[in-house]
Amino acid sequence: AQSVTQLDSQVPVFEEAPVELRCNYSSSVSVYLFWYVQYPNQGLQLLLKYLSGSTLVKGINGFEAEFNKSQTSFHLRKPSVHISDTAEYFCAVSFPFTGGGNKLTFGTGTQLKVEL
Amino acid sequence: GAVVSQHPSRVICKSGTSVKIECRSLDFQATTMFWYRQFPKKSLMLMATSNEGSKATYEQGVEKDKFLINHASLTLSTLTVTSAHPEDSSFYICSARAGVSNQPQHFGDGTRLSIL
Repeated sequence: AQSVTQLDSQVPVFEEAPVELRCNYSSSVSVYLFWYVQYPNQGLQLLLKYLSGSTLVKGINGFEAEFNKSQTSFHLRKPSVHISDTAEYFCAVSFPFTGGGNKLTFGTGTQLKVEL
Repeated sequence: GAVVSQHPSRVICKSGTSVKIECRSLDFQATTMFWYRQFPKKSLMLMATSNEGSKATYEQGVEKDKFLINHASLTLSTLTVTSAHPEDSSFYICSARAGVSNQPQHFGDGTRLSIL
């Protein structure tokens, strides 16, 4: 079965510290990978995506993620966080070659809370 | 670029009322639009996928007569919650994707629906 797991429901971190938000997926076929951020009472904003090519992907707001095929992971990182990064982060996977309209499967989300 | 507008942002209405939510892609043509429902502190649950000019494809467990979806043009999709009841209260989010399957989904800001 195809699934997405975000093990950490909440991640507290101090401002200017580095952070890593974990995402693992389960699939025996090629996938596309995405990270989205959601601020309170808003929709989702795309941070970055991996389709193919270089496994290190750089996104907006200083975030980056690395695709690791052997570990089926796509962890999100930022070397120095700001208060404004406090939000919910969703990892999402699409399975483009399995039919079904290339839908997104979302993880359960990780609440990043940046503290002073 | 890739802006999706969702309207209204908040609706409060009486039980039994039908509510229409609009989702517009402002600067690109969206051949596929998606409707999600998000419960408090939960991930997004895909309700249905709609392709322009075609009938929507509903996910298992979603009542198609309850949640009417129309995708009449490449820039507009609507979700109508018919005869809404308090259990339909939720945060509804649309997304839109341009033609090819490796393009990311771009999300609207969501609609907070409260049924009294």
